[in-house]
Amino acid sequence: DAGITQSPRYKITETGRQVTLMCHQTWSHSYMFWYRQDLGHGLRLIYYSAAADITDKGEVPDGYVVSRSKTENFPLTLESATRSQTSVYFCASSERTGGSPLHFGNGTRLTVT
Amino acid sequence: LAKTTQPISMDSYEGQEVNITCSHNNIATNDYITWYQQFPSQGPRFIIQGYKTKVTNEVASLFIPADRKSSTLSLPRVSLSDTAVYYCLVGDPPGGYQKVTFGTGTKLQVIP
Repeated sequence: DAGITQSPRYKITETGRQVTLMCHQTWSHSYMFWYRQDLGHGLRLIYYSAAADITDKGEVPDGYVVSRSKTENFPLTLESATRSQTSVYFCASSERTGGSPLHFGNGTRLTVT
Repeated sequence: LAKTTQPISMDSYEGQEVNITCSHNNIATNDYITWYQQFPSQGPRFIIQGYKTKVTNEVASLFIPADRKSSTLSLPRVSLSDTAVYYCLVGDPPGGYQKVTFGTGTKLQVIP
């Protein structure tokens, strides 16, 4: 089915461990985004990508790494997880055309113990 | 960078029309106004988008005055399934979304 898929849906990890959240879209959208959602903060942009091999920082990039070797995949890696990174993470994609809205996945709920 | 202001929460009875207003005083020429809906445990879902005047689709209407400094999302005859958080975004998508902040949205509670 066409769409945007995030995995895993839920993840529990320990402080200091590396964890990678996956995002895959089937539309061949140029733009992809990673947001985190915390109570009282709404959604905050972590990183975004305008195309394969082009990534840039958003509002809260510290502690995260992204890559985009293929248009359809945009993994987010926490190199050394901290408790403050406990959150719900959403991936989104968008066409390159001006005015194109965001299409979101259903999120990954990450708990760092 | 357009900052948006919308009510934190609203209550409405089933069958009523609901209007949620968003203020965006410093909207830029290239900015669109986009509304998203989010249910618990789901990602936000696109509802409607406009640039000026009025836009209507099968689920909502969006009213934008001539000065574009505010916008109103109108949901006709709401049902319990419309209980959700609604976000107003102002920006120049998609490239301009690097500068867009979602904010905390408006939590709509529909009452039977």
